[in-house]
Amino acid sequence: AQTVTQSQPEMSVQEAETVTLSCTYDTSESNYYLFWYKQPPSRQMILVIRQEAYKQQNATENRFSVNFQKAAKSFSLKISDSQLGDTAMYFCAKFQGAQKLVFGQGTRLTINP
Amino acid sequence: DAGVTQSPTHLIKTRGQQVTLRCSPKSGHDTVSWYQQALGQGPQFIFQYYEEEERQRGNFPDRFSGHQFPNYSSELNVNALLLGDSALYLCASSFRASGGFGTDTQYFGPGTRLTVL
Repeated sequence: AQTVTQSQPEMSVQEAETVTLSCTYDTSESNYYLFWYKQPPSRQMILVIRQEAYKQQNATENRFSVNFQKAAKSFSLKISDSQLGDTAMYFCAKFQGAQKLVFGQGTRLTINP
Repeated sequence: DAGVTQSPTHLIKTRGQQVTLRCSPKSGHDTVSWYQQALGQGPQFIFQYYEEEERQRGNFPDRFSGHQFPNYSSELNVNALLLGDSALYLCASSFRASGGFGTDTQYFGPGTRLTVL
């Protein structure tokens, strides 16, 4: 079974700092999709960013960007100018078989004032 | 534009009972996937429905079953509840474009918290 690994169970930074969350995965596919989801205490899983493996350019959404290293099977999320509202669990996920999402264990991120 | 909705928000059942959870997909979406999220864990895929048929299934017993209706809404049924079934159940909807790959980003509902006593 394909796996997604997040090696940082918890992280904590000060407001306005930049933070990077790590994710590695295994796959035998050449084309696939990777995602970062955010789950605040309200429980709603919110899509943060999506990366298509065949695209060379790293995806960016406002303060969120990824560093996608295909050969290393690494997919880290960078949050710039962090805000209190960024406090949440962050899950890295990959499509398996194009339809089923496989999630990592999550990283609990706390932004301190 | 309404997002994915789920009902109920919370549910408490006893061992051996049966439960039905409901999900309405985001407008324009035709595919519904269900996930189980135990406390402190990442979600685990249960199954996916498209065109009223189960298309993929994760490693869950037959006690877990589902249904998709013509309006694309879906139900998750769990029979003979066990204590270990206590979890947050997430529904996600997506649009399966013809060809099926690459545009199926899944959007999640707020979840149903099931507690089995």
